[in-house]
Amino acid sequence: NAGVTQTPKFQVLKTGQSMTLQCAQDMNHNSMYWYRQDPGMGLRLIYYSASEGTTDKGEVPNGYNVSRLNKREFSLRLESAAPSQTSVYFCASTEGPSTDTQYFGPGTRLTVL
Amino acid sequence: AQSVAQPEDQVNVAEGNPLTVKCTYSVSGNPYLFWYVQYPNRGLQFLLKYITGDNLVKGSYGFEAEFNKSQTSFHLKKPSALVSDSALYFCAVRPTRGTYKYIFGTGTRLKVLA
Repeated sequence: NAGVTQTPKFQVLKTGQSMTLQCAQDMNHNSMYWYRQDPGMGLRLIYYSASEGTTDKGEVPNGYNVSRLNKREFSLRLESAAPSQTSVYFCASTEGPSTDTQYFGPGTRLTVL
Repeated sequence: AQSVAQPEDQVNVAEGNPLTVKCTYSVSGNPYLFWYVQYPNRGLQFLLKYITGDNLVKGSYGFEAEFNKSQTSFHLKKPSALVSDSALYFCAVRPTRGTYKYIFGTGTRLKVLA
């Protein structure tokens, strides 16, 4: 049981480049989340998907887009990367609204030059 | 605005001593409360949660947390710290009404000294 997986683990981009961060969970969870973690700021929610077919903005959505491809997969896209998007990105999932424990992936460390 | 505060960036404690990591929140209603731990270069791992019931919640690795509704606090505790407890600890809150969003604190780095 792999839980939540993320690819890639590390990425370096130049300003203006685009990329997609992949996330998949094998726990049959309904809800999935994308966070960024910056020093001294904790985790901030970028986007979330309460269930397959729905997505909603979180606290810091600007510069990002998401796709809930199916129940397992939730991708995060940076269309035109900026240095301010240098961060560690975490994907998480929960079974649903009545089971609230979040399960996190190992993270993607992104550097934008 | 809803928020979660972890007032200490770092807590140092000697091995074998009790530890407390503080968390207070400003969220309306009766939110769900969580503690997560993050080891270096890893994702967050669930420690414990309070939904309802007994104010003292027991979790993984000997940790427990005390919910205090009047003080809107949810402090993490352990009776006897281990060096291996050294990590980054996050408090999180999920408002129970109308949202799937979670609000995280900024994290407290716990350092247990041998």
